[in-house]
Amino acid sequence: DIVMTQSPSSLAVSAGETVTINCKSSQSLLYNGNQKNYLAWYQQKPGQSPKLLIYWTSTRQSGVPDRFIGSGSGTDFTLTISSVLAEDLAIYYCQQYYHTPTFGSGTKLEIK
Amino acid sequence: EIQLQESGPGLVKPSQSLSLTCSVTGYTITSGYDWSWLRKFPGNKMEWMGFITYSGSTNYNPSLKSRISITRDTSKNQFFLQLNSVTTEDTATYYCARDEQPYWYFVFWGPGTMVTVSS
Repeated sequence: DIVMTQSPSSLAVSAGETVTINCKSSQSLLYNGNQKNYLAWYQQKPGQSPKLLIYWTSTRQSGVPDRFIGSGSGTDFTLTISSVLAEDLAIYYCQQYYHTPTFGSGTKLEIK
Repeated sequence: EIQLQESGPGLVKPSQSLSLTCSVTGYTITSGYDWSWLRKFPGNKMEWMGFITYSGSTNYNPSLKSRISITRDTSKNQFFLQLNSVTTEDTATYYCARDEQPYWYFVFWGPGTMVTVSS
């Protein structure tokens, strides 16, 4: 299995701040055949199912605000949320789909 | 619009089998894609359990391979999860979802159903 290591496990920020969540994979997620990194990000709000935010490392799903930015390559990836809103309170997960899907342990975002 | 809905018992006794149904509306499960089961444990760990493809093939997480079975009823546009010999460690919220086959990220999810394994 590809192990996904996510950090931090939790963080608390004030509205308007910028948040960075890190995700590291135990092996490269870059497929040379198409030069794409097989990495997605999800947002799970309390009481809801996960919502796909980003796939292919940096492609936003339809309807996702451009405050959510994915970046990285190989084994190191980042989700940046700029100008955080109270509604961004959620757990964020990274997930690789290079092999059998595996998820990071989640980052709980709290708003001060 | 595609919608998925999980259903099944909320309480299962240890050593018994867990059985869940995912009912799909807005898309025919034999038309395309893979249809997965995932679960989220207390403490937030997420695990992909397995899927059944639109053609009926299955693919399971190796960690569950001896205990899991995913089947379907195409006449009802439903697919099913059976997990055998459950323990308290199988207590989780179970989700059904559709991926973007051939790529295993998940756009459409059911709301989830909580299953507790307890005597």
